[in-house]
Amino acid sequence: ETGVTQTPRHLVMGMTNKKSLKCEQHLGHNAMYWYKQSAKKPLELMFVYNFKEQTENNSVPSRFSPECPNSSHLFLHLHTLQPEDSALYLCASSPGTNSYEQYFGPGTRLTVT
Amino acid sequence: GQQVMQIPQYQHVQEGEDFTTYCNSSTTLSNIQWYKQRPGGHPVFLIQLVKSGEVKKQKRLTFQFGEAKKNSSLHITATQTTDVGTYFCAGPSEYGNKLVFGAGTILRVKS
Repeated sequence: ETGVTQTPRHLVMGMTNKKSLKCEQHLGHNAMYWYKQSAKKPLELMFVYNFKEQTENNSVPSRFSPECPNSSHLFLHLHTLQPEDSALYLCASSPGTNSYEQYFGPGTRLTVT
Repeated sequence: GQQVMQIPQYQHVQEGEDFTTYCNSSTTLSNIQWYKQRPGGHPVFLIQLVKSGEVKKQKRLTFQFGEAKKNSSLHITATQTTDVGTYFCAGPSEYGNKLVFGAGTILRVKS
């Protein structure tokens, strides 16, 4: 399954670092999403972009900053993270929002030290 | 706010036994989707149900959408070790811009 790719697959960063996660979809979809998945917790939706416009910010701390330059690319910029931000960060895309099935990337396993 | 709840949270079965997970929404849904996430993997779309009372089958998996379109179930007949993973249901938010996921049911199969 290579429809949605994410890089890097693993990332270890200190609390003072700045890093970016990248997501690319090759499915011609119009909507893209960032989710956070922590151990023993449900999927947490972070951001939704529809036709490059942000349509949802699910009360995410400002140390997470999304960017969607076009419908195929989505970034998540990280700065001054906390250890509790360690999680699997999943990108997904769908033809549109709401009723459409979502296609997930493999995720970035982030560890904040 | 809108909630999608799944039970059980966790189930451990003997290979060959059946398994069922249930999904309940606090609001009526236009459709419901099911996803599977293998250990160490990412969620993968399985199916979408749209009609009231709809039943769909995929080999040993049977999906059902309730008459009131507020609940759904996934039943696996004669589980195999390849069925191991977390099964999520999800429904469109009442505001129409995202999916609301249940917490998932973790299935473990003992051979």
